[in-house]
Amino acid sequence: GAVVSQHPSWVICKSGTSVKIECRSLDFQATTMFWYRQFPKQSLMLMATSNEGSKATYEQGVEKDKFLINHASLTLSTLTVTSAHPEDSSFYICSASGGTAGAQYFGPGTRLLVL
Amino acid sequence: AQSVTQLDSQVPVFEEAPVELRCNYSSSVSVYLFWYVQYPNQGLQLLLKYLSGSTLVKGINGFEAEFNKSQTSFHLRKPSVHISDTAEYFCAVSEFGEKLTFGTGTRLTIIP
Repeated sequence: GAVVSQHPSWVICKSGTSVKIECRSLDFQATTMFWYRQFPKQSLMLMATSNEGSKATYEQGVEKDKFLINHASLTLSTLTVTSAHPEDSSFYICSASGGTAGAQYFGPGTRLLVL
Repeated sequence: AQSVTQLDSQVPVFEEAPVELRCNYSSSVSVYLFWYVQYPNQGLQLLLKYLSGSTLVKGINGFEAEFNKSQTSFHLRKPSVHISDTAEYFCAVSEFGEKLTFGTGTRLTIIP
């Protein structure tokens, strides 16, 4: 149980284009979903927290107009990187919390490369 | 604010030897503690978690961790490691079960 999927697993795009990443909880309802960014050989940095049906809460320093988050249902959240630039290249990981105290369950990650 | 310290960035261990990965945290309130493992180019997998109750927590793949409130530690241990345990290990803490704060990670390398 507690499986989280992400799509796509990797994406290469041109600078200036927008990229959408989907995060789905497959076998549980996720009241809260989280989006992280991970640079090579570094830890995960929380970008934003989203609750179903409400606006996402962004961490300090994260541009909400650049990283659009939508949590339309209890099983789906999307992250859209708008007007992507090479510095946005990174490994983006989502996680979902089902409300039972504690753990977040992580997706397999999406590797984004902006050329 | 909560924080997590993983003092060892890299730990090399011979196969079948025991290992301990250290984690210390700071928080002004009660916390939940977690260990996650990340294999190359993959997301994180939950190894174990401490929410309350017994301070010795057993997880998957033969790992266990002990919560020590007085030393604010949550060290991860395994009595005998295997090649397949080579990975990055992250300790994490959350206050009131909300957002996680991760340590910087420890790369465990198993030497045949």
